[in-house]
Amino acid sequence: DSGVTQTPKHLITATGQRVTLRCSPRSGDLSVYWYQQSLDQGLQFLIQYYNGEERAKGNILERFSAQQFPDLHSELNLSSLELGDSALYFCASSVYTGADNEQFFGPGTRLTVL
Amino acid sequence: AQSVTQLDSQVPVFEEAPVELRCNYSSSVSVYLFWYVQYPNQGLQLLLKYLSGSTLVKGINGFEAEFNKSQTSFHLRKPSVHISDTAEYFCAVSAPSGSARQLTFGSGTQLTVLP
Repeated sequence: DSGVTQTPKHLITATGQRVTLRCSPRSGDLSVYWYQQSLDQGLQFLIQYYNGEERAKGNILERFSAQQFPDLHSELNLSSLELGDSALYFCASSVYTGADNEQFFGPGTRLTVL
Repeated sequence: AQSVTQLDSQVPVFEEAPVELRCNYSSSVSVYLFWYVQYPNQGLQLLLKYLSGSTLVKGINGFEAEFNKSQTSFHLRKPSVHISDTAEYFCAVSAPSGSARQLTFGSGTQLTVLP
């Protein structure tokens, strides 16, 4: 158990819908990362927050957005969903933002878009 | 930009045999290198990392990796595998500054340990 929690574990929805994925980082970690894992794209970095502020953006679509709240939990919002958005979404956390920091991964949310 | 190539998508090996999972990277700057393991239906867990110093890095569960700058490689090895090592292994790279600070992952290698 990494200490990072993600809800829900599974999510099934239809095209065009909007969903929210939630992540609680390890106690004491200020940085939260979101990743997408799919068969065709592999594991890709989406976005990072540090202590409530956006710190870095990766291959995140404009239909996707995220935020980190004062209690440090984070939410990833996915809208106008398409079939291709079906994937495993991971949240990770670390103490700082440095590239040498170990990231601790949650168990993921499996999103299925029908 | 940096990239990671994991040369083998699947590696089957018998229990108690040695294994090597290969990883090559491409980067124009100095890098940090990581190996993560993903067990079925779980998130990723860090096995080991190279930041600087000794090129031979020891990690958890008996794994080790060697950083070879001239060959831009960071191969993962274990002298004797167990059934419980069956999992997917990801090599990743990051750099100390700029946009490359984020982890870039390879496509993964599925290690299957056979009895």
